[in-house]
Amino acid sequence: AQKVTQAQTEISVVEKEDVTLDCVYETRDTTYYLFWYKQPPSGELVFLIRRNSFDEQNEISGRYSWNFQKSTSSFNFTITASQVVDSAVYFCALSEAQDSGYALNFGKGTSLLVTP
Amino acid sequence: ETGVTQTPRHLVMGMTNKKSLKCEQHLGHNAMYWYKQSAKKPLELMFVYSLEERVENNSVPSRFSPECPNSSHLFLHLHTLQPEDSALYLCASSQDPGTDTQYFGPGTRLTVL
Repeated sequence: AQKVTQAQTEISVVEKEDVTLDCVYETRDTTYYLFWYKQPPSGELVFLIRRNSFDEQNEISGRYSWNFQKSTSSFNFTITASQVVDSAVYFCALSEAQDSGYALNFGKGTSLLVTP
Repeated sequence: ETGVTQTPRHLVMGMTNKKSLKCEQHLGHNAMYWYKQSAKKPLELMFVYSLEERVENNSVPSRFSPECPNSSHLFLHLHTLQPEDSALYLCASSQDPGTDTQYFGPGTRLTVL
């Protein structure tokens, strides 16, 4: 069963718009970690953020912000004032202290296209 | 060189060829990983090494053979592949295996004819 669901397959926005990428996860572990990665057309997965299950504080880094809500098992990612360079596939991933072994469970990704 | 590097970046091979993918990490990490990324599928973990010892092998066909001679280098030896093995192969490393952040290389785009 898919442990990480990214329901949005593709999103297209115009530059300077705000955009939110959704991520819903499923786990029985009480200790787990959530990640977001960016994959530009070059192919490399670029690490963006890691949050543990005990820290529900939202995080902001420049134009990026993350909203972690355990009550809804969601870890959503918002890009403010999007830019063309933000165009990429974004992956949400889950790592569990007990159940995952060594695997990062990735969602299927959301392809974001930002047009001028 | 910094981070995680992979060579070659692109590889085209016939089904009877033997080739190897190379990964090198310059981060001082203890764990290294091979992932396969096919179109329309989530990333699939193939192998995990911790301090040069294989700790996970996710039912990968024997035509894929990993090798980890030291904690900085990881190879994936390929032989008699099938066209459905065409994919992006990504290498990653982390401080320790499990829940530590994994840092990825740029990948090798493999095409099997």
